[in-house]
Amino acid sequence: AQSVTQPDIHITVSEGASLELRCNYSYGATPYLFWYVQSPGQGLQLLLKYFSGDTLVQGIKGFEAEFKRSQSSFNLRKPSVHWSDAAEYFCAVGPAGYSTLTFGKGTMLLVSP
Amino acid sequence: EAGVTQFPSHSVIEKGQTVTLRCDPISGHDNLYWYRRVMGKEIKFLLHFVKESKQDESGMPNNRFLAERTGGTYSTLKVQPAELEDSGVYFCASSHLGGLVTEAFFGQGTRLTVV
Repeated sequence: AQSVTQPDIHITVSEGASLELRCNYSYGATPYLFWYVQSPGQGLQLLLKYFSGDTLVQGIKGFEAEFKRSQSSFNLRKPSVHWSDAAEYFCAVGPAGYSTLTFGKGTMLLVSP
Repeated sequence: EAGVTQFPSHSVIEKGQTVTLRCDPISGHDNLYWYRRVMGKEIKFLLHFVKESKQDESGMPNNRFLAERTGGTYSTLKVQPAELEDSGVYFCASSHLGGLVTEAFFGQGTRLTVV
């Protein structure tokens, strides 16, 4: 069965510092990988997705993620965090053709001044 | 274009009562999904509609949950009778049908509290 592990429940980063959120997955086939963000009072918003091709994918709001098949990882990065990035981030994996996703437990990002 | 809309945004009910959650998907999206996040846990799949048909309901926790999608448009998720462990955030998502690459658009969720 597929699974997604986000090892960090909470992360605190200073504004302007770089960010990396970890995601490891277990999946029997070629994974389709996603990062979603949920800001307070908002729904889940897709940050970026990986289906195939270039293993470094760019997303919205200056985020990027790198797919590493050998490590079964899909870590999310941002070079300089803004206070508005404080939110909960979810990594997810799914099969081709459908959107039945398996999510990780989420990482809450706190941004300190 | 309107996004996925869910009603209500919050609901507080007593144990044993009935609650109905509604989801309006993006117009033209044949796929509609329900997910749930219980506090402290991951977001979990409940079921998947293709138009008005249930494609996969393997994630429905028990027979107190009933989902419908009349006419392939909006969907409702009824919990009857509600139990304390049903508390959580219920998300709805929709996507286009077909193709290898799909993307689900999520609503803002309905926070259900059973007291």
